[in-house]
Amino acid sequence: GNSVTQMEGPVTLSEEAFLTINCTYTATGYPSLFWYVQYPGEGLQLLLKATKADDKGSNKGFEATYRKETTSFHLEKGSVQVSDSAVYFCALASYNQGGKLIFGQGTELSVKP
Amino acid sequence: ETGVTQSPTHLIKTRGQQVTLRCSSQSGHNTVSWYQQALGQGPQFIFQYYREEENGRGNFPPRFSGLQFPNYSSELNVNALELDDSALYLCASSLDPGGQETQYFGPGTRLLVL
Repeated sequence: GNSVTQMEGPVTLSEEAFLTINCTYTATGYPSLFWYVQYPGEGLQLLLKATKADDKGSNKGFEATYRKETTSFHLEKGSVQVSDSAVYFCALASYNQGGKLIFGQGTELSVKP
Repeated sequence: ETGVTQSPTHLIKTRGQQVTLRCSSQSGHNTVSWYQQALGQGPQFIFQYYREEENGRGNFPPRFSGLQFPNYSSELNVNALELDDSALYLCASSLDPGGQETQYFGPGTRLLVL
């Protein structure tokens, strides 16, 4: 079945460091891929998405490129801030599964000043 | 534009009781999905409703049931609560059930079963 695997956390970085959070997926067909962010005590917010191969999603300095050949959707940011501290979830959705989101286990990011 | 809202925010129940959680979808959205998020884990899909009909179900027992109303708001009902049902329950709405549509999440209801 479809699945998402994320790199394990927690990830601890200093402010202005470069961020990469790895995400790979297994899916039949052509899923859409998403990154969601969850701040402490809150629900999930969409960070970015890509709906077809080679698409790049971007938002708030974060980027991720849909790589079908490597079945990956890694999240990157060139310079993290303390306010980026949160849990990041990679997810996929396939139309043939009613659009339900399948999430990775989440990666906790902590940015120190 | 009003986002997705959920009520209550927190709830404490005892084992064997029943609970109803509520969700109001974002304006213009006809699809509502429910997820269970255990502590430290990613959300797990419970089911989805599209135009008042169930449109897909995850690996949850029948004691998890739902409804969607004509205004597209939704309820999640859980009967015979178990300790493992303690979790954050998230509701998400979208324009339609297609895989490309973004799901917008509410803040969640945190359920504790004692």
